[in-house]
Amino acid sequence: AQSVTQLDSQVPVFEEAPVELRCNYSSSVSVYLFWYVQYPNQGLQLLLKYLSGSTLVESINGFEAEFNKSQTSFHLRKPSVHISDTAEYFCAVSNAGGTSYGKLTFGQGTILTVHP
Amino acid sequence: KAGVTQTPRYLIKTRGQQVTLSCSPISGHRSVSWYQQTPGQGLQFLFEYFSETQRNKGNFPGRFSGRQFSNSRSEMNVSTLELGDSALYLCASSYPRTDPNIQYFGAGTRLSVL
Repeated sequence: AQSVTQLDSQVPVFEEAPVELRCNYSSSVSVYLFWYVQYPNQGLQLLLKYLSGSTLVESINGFEAEFNKSQTSFHLRKPSVHISDTAEYFCAVSNAGGTSYGKLTFGQGTILTVHP
Repeated sequence: KAGVTQTPRYLIKTRGQQVTLSCSPISGHRSVSWYQQTPGQGLQFLFEYFSETQRNKGNFPGRFSGRQFSNSRSEMNVSTLELGDSALYLCASSYPRTDPNIQYFGAGTRLSVL
């Protein structure tokens, strides 16, 4: 069984400040890791993913996350946030082995609120 | 390419009724997964279909069922609705051959059970 823990349910931050949203996972098998973002009354949008290769992955809008296998973490960071980054962020894992078809296991979400 | 389309966007039902939700995946995607999102339980996996076959199922009662058609469109059905079934139901599609684990989500169907 897999589980994902997002350590902060809410993170308030001022505009242009840095932010880190923390994610830890538990799994007995190799995993793929994802961050999704959800704006009010919308579905989930893929922000970034780690499948293999470089442990540091980046998104087009300035977010980055680093896969740390020894600490089983995949924290999301942004050096300078904007008001438009206000949303709920979900960390998710899936089996890299491919037997758990189509299943993502999600954390409980972190609400990021950016204040002016 | 059009994204994942879910219909209807909003639905109000009463206890005991049944409901059918529809999901049209991104063109070319053959896998469709369904999730239930509630404030208390978060995002939970319901089931996944690929080529009209259910390959995986989450821990939901048998009142929750689904199917997939030959054009990859999928429906999920909930029978004998309960108040606790009120949720946002999300479907996601993926193309297993190239990006097997990358799921693209629709906007969801918000179901309210009165």
